[in-house]
Amino acid sequence: EDKVVQSPLSLVVHEGDTVTLNCSYEVTNFRSLLWYKQEKKAPTFLFMLTSSGIEKKSGRLSSILDKKELFSILNITATQTGDSAVYLCAGNSGNTPLVFGKGTRLSVIA
Amino acid sequence: SAVISQKPSRDICQRGTSLTIQCQVDSQVTMMFWYRQQPGQSLTLIATANQGSEATYESGFVIDKFPISRPNLTFSTLTVSNMSPEDSSIYLCSVGQTYGYTFGSGTRLTVV
Repeated sequence: EDKVVQSPLSLVVHEGDTVTLNCSYEVTNFRSLLWYKQEKKAPTFLFMLTSSGIEKKSGRLSSILDKKELFSILNITATQTGDSAVYLCAGNSGNTPLVFGKGTRLSVIA
Repeated sequence: SAVISQKPSRDICQRGTSLTIQCQVDSQVTMMFWYRQQPGQSLTLIATANQGSEATYESGFVIDKFPISRPNLTFSTLTVSNMSPEDSSIYLCSVGQTYGYTFGSGTRLTVV
């Protein structure tokens, strides 16, 4: 059975800190790994990773995939209170639904 | 990426009643999915909505409780039937495309 495991499940940091969120996966016929940010209801797309070792970057957020170790990380530098959210990792095997991890709840305090 | 209009945004319903949630996509999409997110939990797939045929349900979800329609490639509905307080959740539709998966804005359902 496909599964995605995220760690930690929750994290509290101070503004300005750097955080690393982890995601390991076991997905049959793996095609890509996706990261989402969920603040209220709908998850907002952050990154889709398909190739190992190539960092994707958007502002203070970056992510990388290791297809050998079946692992991805999401880094957030210089955190702000607006980064407080649940971060979801999901595995994709093509024309099938995403398999989600339980998420990491990040709280950034001023 | 596709834009999805989902409604209602939220509702408070009496137990025993039913609620239909709609998702309208601004382009034709093959894959459309319905998820449930119970409080404090991650997203759980309810079913894959197939155009022109019955939806494919995940273990633990049945058509009588969560009937789904998909009359064309841009629209789908999910009905939550005979509701109980345990059905209080966020319900999300999602579409899958080559460059990623997009979600509707979500429906926050409270059953009292």
